Amino acid sequence: KAGVTQTPRYLIKTRGQQVTLSCSPISGHRSVSWYQQTPGQGLQFLFEYFSETQRNKGNFPGRFSGRQFSNSRSEMNVSTLELGDSALYLCASSPGQVGGELFFGEGSRLTVL
Amino acid sequence: LAKTTQPISMDSYEGQEVNITCSHNNIATNDYITWYQQFPSQGPRFIIQGYKTKVTNEVASLFIPADRKSSTLSLPRVSLSDTAVYYCLVGAPSSGTYKYIFGTGTRLKVLA
Repeated sequence: KAGVTQTPRYLIKTRGQQVTLSCSPISGHRSVSWYQQTPGQGLQFLFEYFSETQRNKGNFPGRFSGRQFSNSRSEMNVSTLELGDSALYLCASSPGQVGGELFFGEGSRLTVL
Repeated sequence: LAKTTQPISMDSYEGQEVNITCSHNNIATNDYITWYQQFPSQGPRFIIQGYKTKVTNEVASLFIPADRKSSTLSLPRVSLSDTAVYYCLVGAPSSGTYKYIFGTGTRLKVLA
């Protein structure tokens, strides 16, 4: 069974630009959640999608948005990039049942110059 | 929201048993306790999950006391490859109200 796939793995952007990251969950998984990881703040939850609906949201500004498609693939978008948005962005999928294990991708490392 | 507290770092030697404790004083009735392992430049990987008492799998054990306000991840006979950051996660994934709040993590260094 293929794991969670995130693209691109690395990218460099400049301040003010926007970026879109993609996540393909494990086949059959209906829940996709996104996280930002930085050395200073650790792993922070961005949002979770389940069956194309945002089910949970963390405490990030509106510049961070996401969506989920009917095949459970998900994208997240960050607009008007700031230097502080430089981070490893991780997505995780799970079957969707309560208490389920999260399966993480390897992440997309974003550098904002 | 459940808040977790873990030691920042720990050192151990190969072959020893390592116990990492997580405090979660305001754990809710429906919350599970899950531990993840993360290597540099990789996503976290599931180790073990429990609700109460003791859970054991092929790589670790999880001890949860009756009041569930703390939990201990036990790694038997660690090796150099167990050097990683370990995260405690408290909540009920996919419950609709779960915020997936990870603790700050414990950086375990295994020495030869």
